[in-house]
Amino acid sequence: QVQLQESGPGLVKPSETLSLTCAVSGYSISSGYYWGWIRQPPGKGLEWIGSIYHSGSTYYNPSLKSRVTISVDTSKNQFSLKLSSVTAADTAVYYCARQATLGGSCQYWGQGTLVTVSS
Amino acid sequence: SYVLTQPPSVSVAPGQTARITCGGNNIGSKSVHWYQQKPGQAPVLVVYDDSDRPSGIPERFSGSNSGNTATLTISRVEAGDEADYYCQVWDSSSDPHVVFGGGTKLTVL
Repeated sequence: QVQLQESGPGLVKPSETLSLTCAVSGYSISSGYYWGWIRQPPGKGLEWIGSIYHSGSTYYNPSLKSRVTISVDTSKNQFSLKLSSVTAADTAVYYCARQATLGGSCQYWGQGTLVTVSS
Repeated sequence: SYVLTQPPSVSVAPGQTARITCGGNNIGSKSVHWYQQKPGQAPVLVVYDDSDRPSGIPERFSGSNSGNTATLTISRVEAGDEADYYCQVWDSSSDPHVVFGGGTKLTVL
């Protein structure tokens, strides 16, 4: 059974960098698939942040591209998100997920982690 | 940028059929995926590639996609189907990216 678990600080100060990690169990990232980050501001809809392939190829939301870095660590079977220069608008529940193909459906999701941007 | 348009809300009585639409320019040429999200929970994939169902999803959930509209159909609606539903596609433009619809709140009367 594939499981994903997000971890990282729940509170980040404005202008700082948000950093989250998604630990994957039940499947080896190096075996394939795309691994993505999606966020959801309180009371709002889903927004895709970006995805990474096990080889390291990345695709980002054009609206966030200048601030986002997604990386993968196959030795730890995890992938990470960094979002720089955060503002209150970046407050959201952040989910990690496994995508069947590039841009494909997300069949497996983490439970999500709330990140609040506030001083 | 590619835009997906969903109605904010759909209401249906138990036992009836709910249809949730997702509009986009020539969306029929893309693969559409649908998610169900209940309060405080992560989204769950209910239909992928327009009309396929993941294992464990009831046959009551079905999808179609043609022209400028994709539709998620929920037959014999139950109280437990009350949730937010989101459609998703891949925009393979010069700057390819995933696009989500704004979401539809399904209310079971």
